[in-house]
Order: sequence, then structure tokens, then C-alpha cells
Amino acid sequence: GAVVSQHPSRVICKSGTSVKIECRSLDFQATTMFWYRQFPKQSLMLMATSNEGSKATYEQGVEKDKFLINHASLTLSTLTVTSAHPEDSSFYICSARAPDHQETQYFGPGTRLLVL
Amino acid sequence: DAKTTQPPSMDCAEGRAANLPCNHSTISGNEYVYWYRQIHSQGPQYIIHGLKNNETNEMASLIITEDRKSSTLILPHATLRDTAVYYCIAYTKGAQKLVFGQGTRLTINP
Repeated sequence: GAVVSQHPSRVICKSGTSVKIECRSLDFQATTMFWYRQFPKQSLMLMATSNEGSKATYEQGVEKDKFLINHASLTLSTLTVTSAHPEDSSFYICSARAPDHQETQYFGPGTRLLVL
Repeated sequence: DAKTTQPPSMDCAEGRAANLPCNHSTISGNEYVYWYRQIHSQGPQYIIHGLKNNETNEMASLIITEDRKSSTLILPHATLRDTAVYYCIAYTKGAQKLVFGQGTRLTINP
């Protein structure tokens, strides 16, 4: 099957620091990856769409200068939370669309971010 | 993408079949029905998808009504590990985003 990994699985950081989260498609190439955020007891909300070799597309209300996305290769997308604050504490999940699996999106295991 | 409606919660006894309904009365002809589930503190897991015909894989079966306005996900022999939130999503392949609703919280009881 199509496997997506994320690193780190959890991170604790101080307010004001930046945190980078990696998303990798392990056994397929993904021209498009997606970043979601999930607050406790809520559903997943799409933050942005990451396209290899081009700028990411952000959903309304998501600050592109705060959540930097880089999709430098067909197997790696990164999300950097800049100047993190406690309200950025959340569960961040990436997904990748698998062309050889009928364009189905496969999700990573998620990264839990806690900003103190 | 069409909106889907699911019951907020369901219970099922271990070993029995779990039948999860989904209404998608405004689904368009090129939208597939996708099912994912999310076990606590994990990323969503793909289960199955279909367009018009019923589908079956090693995890589940998907029954889509002839008018495509509703569908049912069937877990044939539920185990405790099937306890999760199940999401039914109407999705156009190649579309930019999956829109997650609140899903159905399925609890499998021993």
C-alpha cells in the first residue's frame, strides 16, 4: 500500500520558536501533498495544499507567513510553524495523493505540537 | 464536493457486523464515496471507495444505493480495534481537498 510518514511524532517547544515537521511518501511519488490541523474533539481542517516545485496554496484564514510550506521533492514536504504560540498547539497531519492508487489520499500518522 | 451526513455515534458488539450509514443526496455523477477512519491520536486511515458499484476489500464492504444518494460501510466482523471515528466523504478524484465532516464515532463493545 501507500505509506506516508511524519517526523517528529510529537514536539514540545517554547513560545516564539520555530518548529519544522516533515512529511514523506515512502513508496510512491506525490506531486501533491496536503497539510491538515486538528484541534481536540474536532474534525480535520485543511490548512494548505503543497505542490512540488511551486508555491503552496493556503486555505482562507491560514497565514502563509506563519505556516511555511516547502515541497522540494516528489517525496518530501515540510511545514514550518514560525514563532509558535500556545494557540498553535494542535495535531498536524499531512496527506499525499497517490497517482498509482487511483489518486487516493493517504495520511501520515500525525505530529502533536505543544507550545509552552 | 457534496455534503455528507452521518450519525454522530454508533455502538456494535464485538464479532458482529458494523453497518455505518452515510447520506449524500446531492452527490454529483463524478464524485466518489470515500471512507476513512481515525483511531484516537492517529492519522486517518483509508478504508475503501466506490462510484456506483458495491466494493469489497480486506477491510470492509461498501454498498451504494442505485440512486447513489446514500451508502453503507460494512465491517463484517468488528473487533475492539475497529473503535474509531469513521468519515464518509464525497470526493472528485484529482480535487484539491478532502472535506472532513464530524464523522461517526463507532464503539465496539466486548
